[in-house]
Order: sequence, then structure tokens, then C-alpha cells
Amino acid sequence: DGGITQSPKYLFRKEGQNVTLSCEQNLNHDAMYWYRQDPGQGLRLIYYSQIVNDFQKGDIAEGYSVSREKKESFPLTVTSAQKNPTAFYLCASSKGDRQTPEQYFGPGTRLTVT
Amino acid sequence: AQTVTQSQPEMSVQEAETVTLSCTYDTSENNYYLFWYKQPPSRQMILVIRQEAYKQQNATENRFSVNFQKAAKSFSLKISDSQLGDTAMYFCAFTLANAGGTSYGKLTFGQGTILTVHP
Repeated sequence: DGGITQSPKYLFRKEGQNVTLSCEQNLNHDAMYWYRQDPGQGLRLIYYSQIVNDFQKGDIAEGYSVSREKKESFPLTVTSAQKNPTAFYLCASSKGDRQTPEQYFGPGTRLTVT
Repeated sequence: AQTVTQSQPEMSVQEAETVTLSCTYDTSENNYYLFWYKQPPSRQMILVIRQEAYKQQNATENRFSVNFQKAAKSFSLKISDSQLGDTAMYFCAFTLANAGGTSYGKLTFGQGTILTVHP
């Protein structure tokens, strides 16, 4: 089955700790994205990568870091510098071409920091 | 910067009836794509329908259709024969593309409309 997996589904951390969220895709998509969703709101772009070993900041990159060492994987680290890390995090991927410009999403990770 | 506005925080409809969700967007660019995504209580984001800006014909996918008004920068979603499984939050989203139709990838989302379908 082709798709996007995110793990874990729920994650709990103490304030001051870094935490890494996993995102893997087997759709052979070049581009991958991380979004943050807060209650009752739309999604906001954190980071995106259109090719291996390259990534760009999105609209709310402060306090986050990413890597893209493999086409299939795009992990997101939430650092202790992120002021309000508790949120729902969604990973997505896309081919981006005219035939398939849409993004496909993983099931998400709910992060709670106390 | 591109913006997407959904002016209806909540909507409700009776099963089997038709409902229309509104979306407006703002861009000075000519090449772009528009999407409607659905997020049910499971929180999985599911693509409902997409529209290419260069196409005048409105997109349809089974019970879902759009009314794309490029000059007015309006992109509404019509759901016909509403079903209980349509209950979800619906997001309108926008992405720029180059002249060849390749998306630049960054999606800009509206705030969402919660749709409840009543039996």
C-alpha cells in the first residue's frame, strides 16, 4: 500500500526537551512538507523540501528543524526554542507536476508538551 | 502574499440536501491551483477536489462540484445529496504554479468550515 506514515500518533514531552516527529512516504514523491494545526484553525507551513538534501523555511519555522537525507523521509524536530509546541502536526508529500499538483497527507501526530 | 478566506465558520445541512461552502482568495498571479480538503473527526486530511486556474470548466467529483469565478477570486464547493459521512471540517487551499503548470508546492489554507450533516 502506498502512503504516508507518521509516528507516533500521540507524543508527550516535558518542557525544555527536543522531540523528533517521524514522516515516511513510499509514493516516490519528490516534495515533502510539515504543517502545524492549532485547535479550530487551518494549517500553517513549517518547512518544506522539494529535493533530497535541500529544504526551505515555511511561514512558522522558528523553533523547528528538519533534515532530508533520503527521498522517503522528512523528520521534524521540535526544539525547546519553540514557545508553544503543543499542536497537531501533519506531514504531506506531492509530485507537484501538472498531472498531480495536490498534496497527500499522513495521519498526523498530536504533540503535547507540559 | 497569498491569502485564503472562508467566511463561514460553521454550516449545517439535512441529509440528502445540498450545501455550498464559500471560499475567496487573493493573489496577483495568474497560474495556480485551488483545492478543497476534508478533515473528518479522525483528523486525516483528504483531498475532495481540485481546480486548475487555467481551466474555465468547473471541476466535479461525484457529489462534489465547484463554482470557480477567477475574476471574482471565488471558489465555492457544492455538496449534493449530503451524507452523514460528509460531516467534517472543510478547508479551501491555494498553491501557485509556474507557466508550465508545475506547482510550487506551498499550500495556503483558509481557516476552515465545520460542516454538520443531520439525519
